[in-house]
Amino acid sequence: EDQVTQSPEALRLQEGESSSLNCSYTVSGLRGLFWYRQDPGKGPEFLFTLYSAGEEKEKERLKATLTKKESFLHITAPKPEDSATYLCAVQAPPIFGNEKLTFGTGTRLTIIP
Amino acid sequence: DSGVTQTPKHLITATGQRVTLRCSPRSGDLSVYWYQQSLDQGLQFLIQYYNGEERAKGNILERFSAQQFPDLHSELNLSSLELGDSALYFCASSVPGGGTGELFFGEGSRLTVL
Repeated sequence: EDQVTQSPEALRLQEGESSSLNCSYTVSGLRGLFWYRQDPGKGPEFLFTLYSAGEEKEKERLKATLTKKESFLHITAPKPEDSATYLCAVQAPPIFGNEKLTFGTGTRLTIIP
Repeated sequence: DSGVTQTPKHLITATGQRVTLRCSPRSGDLSVYWYQQSLDQGLQFLIQYYNGEERAKGNILERFSAQQFPDLHSELNLSSLELGDSALYFCASSVPGGGTGELFFGEGSRLTVL
């Protein structure tokens, strides 16, 4: 069964203090690894897709990287508006059209002004 | 705004009752997914429909059922409700053919069972 574990569960940073969130996964043949951002009371919002080890994607202050066993979401010089829960998800190759994502429980990030 | 619409936003009901949650996907999206999010378990996949047909089923209870209609909107029916069914229920849709992992989520329906 596909599994995704995210750490830490919660992270508090001062504005401008860079850090990384971890996502370790177990999946039978990775089709894709995805990062989502979720604000309180809202649905998750797609950030990145990574397909193979060594791949990197960037968006503003966020950079996602992927190895064969884990992914990191690096946050550089964060601002208060980056406060959110960051979710990692994996997708295995579809079997009989099953295209579900398996999500981790997320890292709740708080940026203190 | 993701373009996915869910109603109702909030629902309070009693144990043993039945509710229906409704989802309208983004225009042109053929796949609809239902997820349950509770505090202790994160986002759990329930079921996926593609162009009116069930494509994948997750850990969906037998008390729950769903369908996707010809106009592509979907409904999730929850019956014989229990306290533990209290959660946020999200609908998501994806581009035609799906498979990209880029899901567009609605804002969710918060169900409280008393």
